[in-house]
Amino acid sequence: AQSVTQPDIHITVSEGASLELRCNYSYGATPYLFWYVQSPGQGLQLLLKYFSGDTLVQGIKGFEAEFKRSQSSFNLRKPSVHWSDAAEYFCAVVPFSGGYNKLIFGAGTRLAVHP
Amino acid sequence: EAGVTQFPSHSVIEKGQTVTLRCDPISGHDNLYWYRRVMGKEIKFLLHFVKESKQDESGMPNNRFLAERTGGTYSTLKVQPAELEDSGVYFCASSQDRSTEAFFGQGTRLTVV
Repeated sequence: AQSVTQPDIHITVSEGASLELRCNYSYGATPYLFWYVQSPGQGLQLLLKYFSGDTLVQGIKGFEAEFKRSQSSFNLRKPSVHWSDAAEYFCAVVPFSGGYNKLIFGAGTRLAVHP
Repeated sequence: EAGVTQFPSHSVIEKGQTVTLRCDPISGHDNLYWYRRVMGKEIKFLLHFVKESKQDESGMPNNRFLAERTGGTYSTLKVQPAELEDSGVYFCASSQDRSTEAFFGQGTRLTVV
């Protein structure tokens, strides 16, 4: 069965430090890949997505993610974290080309930012 | 433009009671999805409406859950009778069609005591 693994449940970084959130997926073919963020009291917001093409994708809020087929990974990065980035981050896949149906989510990584 | 709106934001009910969650999608979005996150685990798909029709309800956990979307506008998700394991956050999302971005609501936190 398809699955998404986010190995880090909690991460704490200092403001201004770089960030990398890990995501691995289990699926035979290359799925569509997404990163969502949920800030306190807010809904899930799409940060970025990968369908095909350039394996380094740029998203909103200064985030980027790199798809590595050989590692079945889609890690999220940000060069300099801001206090407002404190939130929970979810990696998700759609394991077929049918669009945004039936997203399969990871368990999430909660990010805390120290001043 | 209003986003996806969910009511209530929080609900605390006793085991055995009935609760109805509501989702108002973005106007004009034919596709509506329900997801659930239980006990800090993964967010899991429950079902998908296209207009008023259930396109896929493979994620519905059991027959205590009933989702409707009369008229193809807002949707309700009823849990009857509620059990302790139903506690979690229920998310609704909508999209214009199956190939465009789905926008999520803020979720309804359900606590069954």
